[in-house]
Amino acid sequence: GENVEQHPSTLSVQEGDSAVIKCTYSDSASNYFPWYKQELGKRPQLIIDIRSNVGEKKDQRIAVTLNKTAKHFSLHITETQPEDSAVYFCAPRGGNAGNMLTFGGGTRLMVKP
Amino acid sequence: NAGVTQTPKFRVLKTGQSMTLLCAQDMNHEYMYWYRQDPGMGLRLIHYSVGEGTTAKGEVPDGYNVSRLKKQNFLLGLESAAPSQTSVYFCASRQGGEQYFGPGTRLTVT
Repeated sequence: GENVEQHPSTLSVQEGDSAVIKCTYSDSASNYFPWYKQELGKRPQLIIDIRSNVGEKKDQRIAVTLNKTAKHFSLHITETQPEDSAVYFCAPRGGNAGNMLTFGGGTRLMVKP
Repeated sequence: NAGVTQTPKFRVLKTGQSMTLLCAQDMNHEYMYWYRQDPGMGLRLIHYSVGEGTTAKGEVPDGYNVSRLKKQNFLLGLESAAPSQTSVYFCASRQGGEQYFGPGTRLTVT
């Protein structure tokens, strides 16, 4: 099965700074790379995703970059705000029968005002 | 359009009791999934379904059973609950790229 690792596990930044979270995966057949945000007590919500034929995607303050050769993708958040504080999960989809996502262990982002 | 709903929202069971969690989606999605999330961890896949009448095992299937008799519903059963099954359970459905999650069921087994 797919092995997924996220780093760092916790990240503390000042409001207005940038934050970067990295996700490495093992399945070279993975073709879909989403990032989810989960606030305390809530369900995971998709914030951005990228497919394997694209190297970078941006949506306002968030962006995702993909390096298929090295098998990693990263979440970039610029101009962080206190409401960005949450746990972020990467969940690459491998070449498996059920098109399953495999979730990383999560990164707790804390944005200090 | 309610999206993905889960019933119940909370439940407390005693060891050895059984229960069924219901997931329903109104988006006509083919794929449905059951995950568990333990404190401070990511989601782990229990079972999944690629269409009505089909089910398959995920990463942590032991102690759980599932059924998909109707396309819109995916049921997760615990035949004999154990304290190790205390967790938050999320259901999800998918058609195409994005996976949509239900609000979760918080289950405590004492």
